[in-house]
Amino acid sequence: SAVISQKPSRDICQRGTSLTIQCQVDSQVTMMFWYRQQPGQSLTLIATANQGSEATYESGFVIDKFPISRPNLTFSTLTVSNMSPEDSSIYLCSVDSFGDTQYFGPGTRLTVL
Amino acid sequence: EDQVTQSPEALRLQEGESSSLNCSYTVSGLRGLFWYRQDPGKGPEFLFTLYSAGEEKEKERLKATLTKKESFLHITAPKPEDSATYLCAVRSPRGGSNYKLTFGKGTLLTVNP
Repeated sequence: SAVISQKPSRDICQRGTSLTIQCQVDSQVTMMFWYRQQPGQSLTLIATANQGSEATYESGFVIDKFPISRPNLTFSTLTVSNMSPEDSSIYLCSVDSFGDTQYFGPGTRLTVL
Repeated sequence: EDQVTQSPEALRLQEGESSSLNCSYTVSGLRGLFWYRQDPGKGPEFLFTLYSAGEEKEKERLKATLTKKESFLHITAPKPEDSATYLCAVRSPRGGSNYKLTFGKGTLLTVNP
């Protein structure tokens, strides 16, 4: 399985600011995904970020709020824009090398004050 | 819409006390049912994939089984290090090579020594 790292591992931010989360993989992968995990809730898919195409967002998530970049086959970023306390959550990236199994990064714990 | 329900929400066992976790699902065109383990502060760790009713997979003290409506994760003679949240997810197709994972809320397992 791929080795996935995320930066930062955690952050505390002020309301109205933006945070960019980085996801780095040690091998080339076609499919990358961004999830949100809120306390007591299931992992929720924000968007799918395939290299060479625009990210595909799930219902309830919009590009203006969660812009995503996918410049190459080993890297992606998720930005949480104009943050509010409701954005406090764990954000996870995952990858799928062979269209079979998703492997997850360690997550970014975000607290918005 | 795909749905995944896990029960119980929390389970406390004594070391050596075997039990089972349940994952009930409804999905349009199942393309795999996945079990993950998640430790506090970490991303989900892949355990098993099951594709068809009657299939079983084993790993150490864990055995996963699948029917047309639910999956069970059996834990035999658990140890304290098996304490974690266990997540279940179903994969459904979205056209081409694209797919979506839908997760349950998880079962928090605590094994006391």
